[in-house]
Amino acid sequence: DIQVTQSPSSLSASVGDRVTITCRASQNIGRYLNWFQQKPGKAPTLLIYAASSLQSGVPSRFTGTRSGADFTLTISSLQPEDFATYYCQQSYYTPPYSFGQGTKLEIK
Amino acid sequence: EVQLVESGGGLVQPGGSLRLSCAASGFTFSSYTMTWVRQAPGKGLEWVSYISETDKIIYYADSMKGRLTISRDIAKNSVYLQMNSLRAEDTAVYYCARVNVMVWEETDYYGMDVWGQGTAVTVSS
Repeated sequence: DIQVTQSPSSLSASVGDRVTITCRASQNIGRYLNWFQQKPGKAPTLLIYAASSLQSGVPSRFTGTRSGADFTLTISSLQPEDFATYYCQQSYYTPPYSFGQGTKLEIK
Repeated sequence: EVQLVESGGGLVQPGGSLRLSCAASGFTFSSYTMTWVRQAPGKGLEWVSYISETDKIIYYADSMKGRLTISRDIAKNSVYLQMNSLRAEDTAVYYCARVNVMVWEETDYYGMDVWGQGTAVTVSS
């Protein structure tokens, strides 16, 4: 099964900062990598699919990139509503569709 | 409004069973693959099960294989998760989600783009 390793597990930052979260897949998954945001007590929401395509309604300060089996989520200028937990997830053809361990983004 | 609403969670003793339901509305349910994802208290997301739009393709996570049955009823716009032989480690919020096919540069990609609010399952004596 494909594993995705996400880092860091937590991150402290201030409003206006630029932050980056990374995921590494255990094998080549092409661009089959999604990013989700989850706020406490809420369901996850899809931010980015196909490694870099922004889901409808997601602000352009969110950017996804891919380099081989390494993927990054960058938030260019943190807003107060961005403090949440972020997950990557691979969707390479057939399940299991594994998730990364999550990154909790907290206010410094 | 596109919506998924889960129900059926609750407190169950170890070894017991539960059947979770997920009612869909606002979209053509029969055209979408559906999936279940769970989240143990304070933990991350774990994919659990998948059923194709035709219900002919089904997958289960190894952690629950043999104890789960996923099904769907097109007439009721609902997907179900029958869970048997429940263990304490199955305690979690269970979410259903729609798997959408999104095209980028002429290639199909799969994203869970609509989620329910979740239903909590507690396995405890």
